[in-house]
Amino acid sequence: GIQVEQSPPDLILQEGANSTLRCNFSDSVNNLQWFHQNPWGQLINLFYIPSGTKQNGRLSATTVATERYSLLYISSSQTTDSGVYFCAPVMMNRDDKIIFGKGTRLHILP
Amino acid sequence: KAGVTQTPRYLIKTRGQQVTLSCSPISGHRSVSWYQQTPGQGLQFLFEYFSETQRNKGNFPGRFSGRQFSNSRSEMNVSTLELGDSALYLCASSGGDRAYTEAFFGQGTRLTVV
Repeated sequence: GIQVEQSPPDLILQEGANSTLRCNFSDSVNNLQWFHQNPWGQLINLFYIPSGTKQNGRLSATTVATERYSLLYISSSQTTDSGVYFCAPVMMNRDDKIIFGKGTRLHILP
Repeated sequence: KAGVTQTPRYLIKTRGQQVTLSCSPISGHRSVSWYQQTPGQGLQFLFEYFSETQRNKGNFPGRFSGRQFSNSRSEMNVSTLELGDSALYLCASSGGDRAYTEAFFGQGTRLTVV
């Protein structure tokens, strides 16, 4: 079955809008990261957040490990926020491998 | 502090050839992992090396292999290339002795097999 599920798969927003991206995972986690993949393919670290809440500028993330989900919030979107956002947990009993979700493709319109 | 460096950035190979990709991790990091990204399959784990030993392996055929050197630099090799091997290959390094620590990715090598 699906181990990491991200929603929505695609999101189109106007510049200035806020958004919430969700990641559900099927097992307890040792580690969870959020990445932004830029147009050139590089994965940029956003958050390392196995539990709790963190904020970095316009971005914040919350992981509720007991309920097996994580949320990424983007406020006041800018066109440079466009790209694909990946949730990547390392789940217990999965041989310490990072398992990526399929990503949320975000397109911010000017 | 330099980030993760992958070389080359782009590569075009012919079916049946072999290819070697290189990854230099962040200084002090001992774990290097490799991932393949394709439009159809997304990001898939290939293998992980820690202190020159393969610690973990994904579900890829034996044509995909790797190694890690004493300076933690890693190489992956793909033999007898197939068209389906065309992909973005990403390398990640992390500093801890388990995969619980934060992973940092290189810019990737984009391989095209023709």
